[in-house]
Amino acid sequence: DGGITQSPKYLFRKEGQNVTLSCEQNLNHDAMYWYRQDPGQGLRLIYYSQIVNDFQKGDIAEGYSVSREKKESFPLTVTSAQKNPTAFYLCASSISAIANTEAFFGQGTRLTVV
Amino acid sequence: KNQVEQSPQSLIILEGKNCTLQCNYTVSPFSNLRWYKQDTGRGPVSLTIMTFSENTKSNGRYTATLDADTKQSSLHITASQLSDSASYICVVSGSTNAGKSTFGDGTTLTVKP
Repeated sequence: DGGITQSPKYLFRKEGQNVTLSCEQNLNHDAMYWYRQDPGQGLRLIYYSQIVNDFQKGDIAEGYSVSREKKESFPLTVTSAQKNPTAFYLCASSISAIANTEAFFGQGTRLTVV
Repeated sequence: KNQVEQSPQSLIILEGKNCTLQCNYTVSPFSNLRWYKQDTGRGPVSLTIMTFSENTKSNGRYTATLDADTKQSSLHITASQLSDSASYICVVSGSTNAGKSTFGDGTTLTVKP
């Protein structure tokens, strides 16, 4: 099946720890994105990547880091510098970022700081 | 600043009834507008995508309209079902800001039996 897979579905982190959220796609899409969703709010862009080995900061990149070493993978690390990391994280991909084409979303990872 | 405003914030209707959700935007220059359905705790799923030249697009019981002159869109749901209960998100992309779309806060629809 073609699609975009996020793991884990639920993640608990102790304060001061870094955690990495996984995002894999087999749609052969060039562009990949990470969003954060808080209750009652719209999705906010953390980072996006238009092509392998390249990525740009979104609107709320502070406290997060990403890598894009492979076309199909775009992991997100939530670092200890992120002061309020509890949220629902969504990964998405699209054929091209430049064309602003339709984005396909994963099922999300809910991160909770304990 | 690019903005997308959705209304109402929440809506409750009875099963079988129709409803219309609104989306107003200030994104310019405009590239496309998308409507997504997001079930609780799941990722959004695309319903429709419309470009500047498209006025209406349907996907089953969902019909989206676009007025690019007034920068307004609507999503009409016909003969609602319990499974339509979800958040509906309007997303607008500009043609000059690659990778950065503007998301509305969503309308939460509850369909009751």
